[in-house]
Parts: sequence; structure tokens; C-alpha cells
Amino acid sequence: GDSVTQMEGPVTLSEEAFLTINCTYTATGYPSLFWYVQYPGEGLQLLLKATKADDKGSNKGFEATYRKETTSFHLEKGSVQVSDSAVYFCALNEVSGGYNKLIFGAGTRLAVHP
Amino acid sequence: ETGVTQTPRHLVMGMTNKKSLKCEQHLGHNAMYWYKQSAKKPLELMFVYNFKEQTENNSVPSRFSPECPNSSHLFLHLHTLQPEDSALYLCASTRGPDTDTQYFGPGTRLTVL
Repeated sequence: GDSVTQMEGPVTLSEEAFLTINCTYTATGYPSLFWYVQYPGEGLQLLLKATKADDKGSNKGFEATYRKETTSFHLEKGSVQVSDSAVYFCALNEVSGGYNKLIFGAGTRLAVHP
Repeated sequence: ETGVTQTPRHLVMGMTNKKSLKCEQHLGHNAMYWYKQSAKKPLELMFVYNFKEQTENNSVPSRFSPECPNSSHLFLHLHTLQPEDSALYLCASTRGPDTDTQYFGPGTRLTVL
């Protein structure tokens, strides 16, 4: 079945550092790809998405590009802030039984220090 | 008004108790989902409801019983749970079964003693 693999955390950075969180996937076909973020004590929020190859999703300074050739969807941000500290989940959309379901990676915890 | 709400936010129960988790979405969506988030494990899809009909039961034990009375409300009835059922239970919704973007509630943190 389809699957998503994320780099293990925690990732610890200083404020204004460059962030990369790696995500690769295995899927039949070309699923939509997502990054969700979970702040402490909260549910998941959609951060960005891309629906086809070479699409770039972006939001709040975060970006990820759908790379079909490397089956990757790495998350990047040029300058992180303390408020970016959260758990980040990469996910793909699988269509099964006529409905959509998300397959999530294990999540990567990001801690940003002043 | 937040899109997807869940109550209670925290719940502690004994193994012999019966309790229910509630999810309500204010987005006009037609599909709703229950997920389980345990420590150090990927999110696990539990149930999917599409227009009030259950379309997925992901091999969930019968001590978890979902109910979807209408497309805005989703319940998860709990009885005779085990300590390993302690987790964050997340509800999500989508506009329809053919829509891929899911919107999540804040979750209910469940502790089974």
C-alpha cells in the first residue's frame, strides 16, 4: 500500500535558521501531497498542499515542491521563528473505495530556540 | 466560529466506564473521519462516514462504536476500553468523498486508567 516516510526528529534550530524536513512517499499513481502542522495541545492544521508533479505549495513562508522523479515533498522555510515550533506531518491522499483518505508520515518535531 | 469542534477536550475514564466523544463541523461538509494519534505512531484512520453512511472501519475493535446522525455530527462511543487506548482522538471532515483536503478538530485527549 501507499506510505509516507519522514525524517526523524526532533529537529532543533536557532531562530532565523533554514529549515528542511524531508519527506518521501510510495504510491501507485500520482496522489495529492500535504503538509500538516500540529501546535502543542491542538489538532492538525493544513499548512500547504500540491496536487500534481512540479507543483509548489506555499504558506506562511513554508514551501514544498512535488517531485515525481524522486517521489519527494520536502518542506522548507528560509528563516524559522520560535512560533514555528510544532510537529509537522507529511501526508498523501489515497483514493480507496470511492473516497479519499490520508496516509500520514510519523511526524517530525521542530523546536526553534531564540 | 471554528470549523471543526470536539468535546470534551480531555477525558479520563476507567476501563469499565462508558463515555462518548463528540465532533461537530460547521463547514457544510459531507464526509467525516475519526483518527487515533498515539505517542510515537503515525495517525491511524479509524472510521469514515460519507453522507452519514459508514464507508470504512479500519479493523477497529468493537469497544469503539461510531455514530453519525447527520453530516454535521459524529460521535465515538467508548466502552470497556484498555489502557493502550489512551491517545488523542481527532475528528476531521471534507466537503465530499472526492475532496482530498481534510480539516481537523483540536482532538480529545483520552486517558484510560
